[in-house]
Amino acid sequence: GENVEQHPSTLSVQEGDSAVIKCTYSDSASNYFPWYKQELGKGPQLIIDIRSNVGEKKDQRIAVTLNKTAKHFSLHITETQPEDSAVYFCAAARGNYQLIWGAGTKLIIKP
Amino acid sequence: GAGVSQSPSNKVTEKGKDVELRCDPISGHTALYWYRQSLGQGLEFLIYFQGNSAPDKSGLPSDRFSAERTGGSVSTLTIQRTQQEDSAVYLCASSLGTLYNEQFFGPGTRLTVL
Repeated sequence: GENVEQHPSTLSVQEGDSAVIKCTYSDSASNYFPWYKQELGKGPQLIIDIRSNVGEKKDQRIAVTLNKTAKHFSLHITETQPEDSAVYFCAAARGNYQLIWGAGTKLIIKP
Repeated sequence: GAGVSQSPSNKVTEKGKDVELRCDPISGHTALYWYRQSLGQGLEFLIYFQGNSAPDKSGLPSDRFSAERTGGSVSTLTIQRTQQEDSAVYLCASSLGTLYNEQFFGPGTRLTVL
Protein backbone atom coordinates (compact mmCIF):
# COMPACT_ATOMS: atom_id res chain seq x y z
CA GLY A 1 0.00 0.00 0.00
CA GLU A 2 0.88 3.66 -0.03
CA ASN A 3 3.76 4.69 2.22
CA VAL A 4 4.98 8.21 3.00
CA GLU A 5 8.42 8.84 4.46
CA GLN A 6 9.28 12.23 5.95
CA HIS A 7 12.71 13.68 6.80
CA PRO A 8 14.14 14.98 9.00
CA SER A 9 12.29 14.06 12.17
CA THR A 10 13.66 17.16 13.90
CA LEU A 11 14.95 20.34 12.29
CA SER A 12 16.52 23.24 14.16
CA VAL A 13 17.18 26.49 12.27
CA GLN A 14 18.19 30.01 13.21
CA GLU A 15 15.43 32.60 13.08
CA GLY A 16 15.46 34.23 9.67
CA ASP A 17 17.00 31.22 7.92
CA SER A 18 15.14 28.83 5.60
CA ALA A 19 13.79 25.39 6.48
CA VAL A 20 13.20 22.49 4.12
CA ILE A 21 11.27 19.31 4.91
CA LYS A 22 11.16 16.43 2.43
CA CYS A 23 8.72 13.60 1.83
CA THR A 24 8.71 10.63 -0.50
CA TYR A 25 5.70 8.55 -1.48
CA SER A 26 5.35 5.13 -3.01
CA ASP A 27 2.08 5.16 -4.98
CA SER A 28 2.55 6.74 -8.39
CA ALA A 29 -1.23 7.21 -8.60
CA SER A 30 -1.23 9.72 -5.74
CA ASN A 31 -2.39 13.09 -7.03
CA TYR A 32 -2.79 15.34 -4.00
CA PHE A 33 -0.18 16.35 -1.41
CA PRO A 34 -1.12 18.59 1.52
CA TRP A 35 1.06 19.90 4.33
CA TYR A 36 -0.36 20.38 7.82
CA LYS A 37 1.08 22.24 10.80
CA GLN A 38 0.36 21.04 14.33
CA GLU A 39 0.96 23.30 17.30
CA LEU A 40 1.19 21.89 20.81
CA GLY A 41 -2.15 20.71 22.13
CA LYS A 42 -3.99 21.41 18.89
CA GLY A 43 -5.11 19.45 15.87
CA PRO A 44 -3.22 19.79 12.58
CA GLN A 45 -4.06 22.71 10.30
CA LEU A 46 -3.62 22.86 6.54
CA ILE A 47 -0.94 25.34 5.47
CA ILE A 48 -0.47 24.54 1.79
CA ASP A 49 -1.27 21.81 -0.71
CA ILE A 50 -0.38 20.84 -4.25
CA ARG A 51 -1.95 18.71 -6.92
CA SER A 52 -0.01 16.48 -9.27
CA ASN A 53 -0.59 18.67 -12.31
CA VAL A 54 1.70 21.44 -11.00
CA GLY A 55 5.32 21.41 -9.92
CA GLU A 56 5.40 24.28 -7.44
CA LYS A 57 3.07 26.42 -5.38
CA LYS A 58 3.84 29.42 -3.20
CA ASP A 59 1.99 31.27 -0.48
CA GLN A 60 3.99 34.13 0.99
CA ARG A 61 6.89 32.54 2.94
CA ILE A 62 5.77 28.98 2.28
CA ALA A 63 6.26 26.95 -0.89
CA VAL A 64 5.83 23.33 -1.89
CA THR A 65 7.60 21.60 -4.77
CA LEU A 66 6.63 18.29 -6.34
CA ASN A 67 8.76 15.92 -8.40
CA LYS A 68 6.40 13.26 -9.76
CA THR A 69 9.14 11.31 -11.49
CA ALA A 70 11.12 10.89 -8.30
CA LYS A 71 7.95 10.69 -6.19
CA HIS A 72 8.99 13.28 -3.68
CA PHE A 73 7.73 16.65 -2.53
CA SER A 74 9.15 19.28 -0.21
CA LEU A 75 8.02 22.11 2.02
CA HIS A 76 10.11 25.28 2.00
CA ILE A 77 9.74 27.98 4.65
CA THR A 78 11.76 31.15 4.15
CA GLU A 79 12.60 33.88 6.68
CA THR A 80 11.57 31.64 9.56
CA GLN A 81 9.93 33.21 12.60
CA PRO A 82 9.36 31.94 16.15
CA GLU A 83 5.70 31.20 15.36
CA ASP A 84 6.84 28.71 12.73
CA SER A 85 7.93 26.37 15.54
CA ALA A 86 5.58 23.37 15.36
CA VAL A 87 5.30 19.83 14.02
CA TYR A 88 4.78 19.63 10.27
CA PHE A 89 3.14 16.67 8.54
CA CYS A 90 3.12 15.80 4.87
CA ALA A 91 0.49 13.53 3.37
CA ALA A 92 -0.30 11.85 0.08
CA ALA A 93 -3.70 10.89 -1.28
CA ARG A 94 -4.77 7.29 -1.56
CA GLY A 95 -7.98 6.74 -3.47
CA ASN A 96 -10.76 9.32 -3.35
CA TYR A 97 -10.71 10.42 0.28
CA GLN A 98 -7.87 8.90 2.26
CA LEU A 99 -4.61 10.58 3.15
CA ILE A 100 -1.48 8.66 4.12
CA TRP A 101 0.56 10.73 6.54
CA GLY A 102 4.25 11.10 7.16
CA ALA A 103 5.60 10.72 10.70
CA GLY A 104 6.09 14.45 11.16
CA THR A 105 8.97 16.92 11.50
CA LYS A 106 9.48 18.94 14.64
CA LEU A 107 10.69 22.37 13.53
CA ILE A 108 12.54 24.42 16.12
CA ILE A 109 13.29 28.07 15.42
CA LYS A 110 16.25 29.31 17.47
CA PRO A 111 16.20 33.02 18.43
CA GLY B 1 -17.74 30.20 13.58
CA ALA B 2 -17.36 27.13 15.74
CA GLY B 3 -14.71 24.64 14.80
CA VAL B 4 -14.58 20.91 15.39
CA SER B 5 -14.96 20.03 19.05
CA GLN B 6 -14.06 16.82 20.83
CA SER B 7 -14.83 15.53 24.30
CA PRO B 8 -13.43 14.66 26.66
CA SER B 9 -10.08 16.37 26.16
CA ASN B 10 -8.42 13.79 28.40
CA LYS B 11 -9.53 10.32 29.44
CA VAL B 12 -7.76 8.00 31.84
CA THR B 13 -9.18 4.52 32.12
CA GLU B 14 -8.27 1.12 33.41
CA LYS B 15 -7.39 -1.76 31.15
CA GLY B 16 -10.49 -3.69 30.17
CA LYS B 17 -12.93 -0.78 30.49
CA ASP B 18 -14.94 0.64 27.58
CA VAL B 19 -14.58 4.27 26.51
CA GLU B 20 -16.57 6.60 24.28
CA LEU B 21 -15.04 9.57 22.50
CA ARG B 22 -17.23 12.25 20.98
CA CYS B 23 -16.76 14.51 17.97
CA ASP B 24 -18.89 17.48 16.93
CA PRO B 25 -17.98 18.42 13.35
CA ILE B 26 -18.41 21.78 11.66
CA SER B 27 -22.02 22.30 10.65
CA GLY B 28 -22.57 21.45 7.00
CA HIS B 29 -19.49 19.27 6.65
CA THR B 30 -20.51 15.98 5.12
CA ALA B 31 -17.22 14.14 5.63
CA LEU B 32 -15.89 13.06 9.02
CA TYR B 33 -12.64 11.25 9.79
CA TRP B 34 -11.23 9.62 12.90
CA TYR B 35 -7.47 9.29 13.30
CA ARG B 36 -5.17 7.92 15.96
CA GLN B 37 -1.90 9.69 16.74
CA SER B 38 0.66 7.86 18.83
CA LEU B 39 3.56 9.73 20.40
CA GLY B 40 6.01 10.89 17.73
CA GLN B 41 4.03 9.28 14.95
CA GLY B 42 1.93 10.45 12.06
CA LEU B 43 -1.82 10.15 11.84
CA GLU B 44 -3.25 6.67 11.48
CA PHE B 45 -6.56 6.57 9.60
CA LEU B 46 -9.31 4.78 11.50
CA ILE B 47 -12.68 5.43 9.86
CA TYR B 48 -14.38 7.73 7.34
CA PHE B 49 -18.00 8.85 7.11
CA GLN B 50 -19.44 10.61 4.05
CA GLY B 51 -23.03 11.73 4.12
CA ASN B 52 -25.43 8.81 4.23
CA SER B 53 -23.00 6.37 2.60
CA ALA B 54 -21.70 3.31 4.40
CA PRO B 55 -18.57 4.26 6.35
CA ASP B 56 -15.11 3.08 5.40
CA LYS B 57 -14.00 1.12 8.46
CA SER B 58 -10.86 -0.30 6.87
CA GLY B 59 -8.54 1.48 9.32
CA LEU B 60 -10.05 0.18 12.53
CA PRO B 61 -7.29 -1.89 14.19
CA SER B 62 -9.55 -4.52 15.77
CA ASP B 63 -13.18 -5.40 16.39
CA ARG B 64 -12.91 -3.66 19.76
CA PHE B 65 -13.14 -0.39 17.88
CA SER B 66 -16.40 0.92 16.45
CA ALA B 67 -17.83 4.26 15.45
CA GLU B 68 -21.14 5.74 14.51
CA ARG B 69 -22.36 9.03 13.18
CA THR B 70 -25.89 10.01 14.05
CA GLY B 71 -27.95 12.23 11.78
CA GLY B 72 -24.93 13.02 9.65
CA SER B 73 -23.48 15.14 12.43
CA VAL B 74 -22.10 14.04 15.81
CA SER B 75 -19.86 10.99 15.83
CA THR B 76 -18.85 8.65 18.64
CA LEU B 77 -15.79 6.39 18.62
CA THR B 78 -16.12 3.48 21.04
CA ILE B 79 -13.26 1.32 22.24
CA GLN B 80 -14.28 -1.80 24.12
CA ARG B 81 -12.08 -3.70 26.57
CA THR B 82 -9.32 -1.11 26.31
CA GLN B 83 -5.69 -2.22 26.19
CA GLN B 84 -2.55 -0.27 27.06
CA GLU B 85 -1.60 -0.09 23.39
CA ASP B 86 -4.79 1.91 22.78
CA SER B 87 -3.20 4.85 24.60
CA ALA B 88 -2.88 7.68 22.09
CA VAL B 89 -4.45 10.96 20.98
CA TYR B 90 -7.63 10.39 18.98
CA LEU B 91 -8.29 13.14 16.45
CA CYS B 92 -11.49 13.89 14.60
CA ALA B 93 -11.64 15.96 11.41
CA SER B 94 -14.44 17.14 9.17
CA SER B 95 -14.50 18.53 5.66
CA LEU B 96 -16.83 19.56 2.89
CA GLY B 97 -16.47 16.17 1.31
CA THR B 98 -13.91 15.73 -1.41
CA LEU B 99 -10.29 14.77 -0.90
CA TYR B 100 -9.18 18.23 -2.01
CA ASN B 101 -11.18 20.01 0.70
CA GLU B 102 -9.26 20.98 3.82
CA GLN B 103 -9.75 18.70 6.79
CA PHE B 104 -10.52 20.73 9.91
CA PHE B 105 -9.29 18.99 13.02
CA GLY B 106 -10.53 19.06 16.57
CA PRO B 107 -8.06 19.38 19.47
CA GLY B 108 -8.14 15.63 20.09
CA THR B 109 -8.84 13.35 23.03
CA ARG B 110 -5.80 12.04 24.88
CA LEU B 111 -6.57 8.50 26.02
CA THR B 112 -4.44 6.85 28.68
CA VAL B 113 -5.06 3.21 29.53
CA LEU B 114 -3.50 2.15 32.81
